[in-house]
Amino acid sequence: AQSVSQHNHHVILSEAASLELGCNYSYGGTVNLFWYVQYPGQHLQLLLKYFSGDPLVKGIKGFEAEFIKSKFSFNLRKPSVQWSDTAEYFCAVKGAAGNKLTFGGGTRVLVKP
Amino acid sequence: GAVVSQHPSRVICKSGTSVKIECRSLDFQATTMFWYRQFPKQSLMLMATSNEGSKATYEQGVEKDKFLINHASLTLSTLTVTSAHPEDSSFYICSARGGQGQSYNEQFFGPGTRLTVL
Repeated sequence: AQSVSQHNHHVILSEAASLELGCNYSYGGTVNLFWYVQYPGQHLQLLLKYFSGDPLVKGIKGFEAEFIKSKFSFNLRKPSVQWSDTAEYFCAVKGAAGNKLTFGGGTRVLVKP
Repeated sequence: GAVVSQHPSRVICKSGTSVKIECRSLDFQATTMFWYRQFPKQSLMLMATSNEGSKATYEQGVEKDKFLINHASLTLSTLTVTSAHPEDSSFYICSARGGQGQSYNEQFFGPGTRLTVL
């Protein structure tokens, strides 16, 4: 069974600070990896995804993530956060040939102005 | 593109009644739709997967007779919570996956429906 672990439940930081959110997964085959963001009161939006190719993936709003296969990790980064990045972030994994998307527990990020 | 809508956005009902939630893909044909449940401050838990024209596949622990799913067309899936009880109060989110091209490997999420059972 596939599983996803996000290391931090809550992160508080100031504007302009750098952000890195950890995500590790457990799955025995080829995976598709995703990061979603849920702003307060809004629905899930896709930040970025990895299917194959360059393991460093760039997404929207200045976010990027790096797939490290040997570590089963897909950490999300942003060099300089803004107050508007306050949201909950979810890492998710899907077997490349399958349907089921498994989510991590989410990380609540609060950016102080 | 790839917009998914849900209706209603909020619903309050009395214990014992049934509630139907609709999920629509507005600009693409969704061969597969997914229903999730999100408890406060927790992650999304997949409840079931439905393919157009066939029976839904439920995750372990999800009562199929309580959570009826119908995916009658390529743009509409419905979730009916039957004989709702307060413990069914939650945020229900649907997603849709397209049948071909880039949309095949991605799920596009609806805005969710908050159900409160009194």
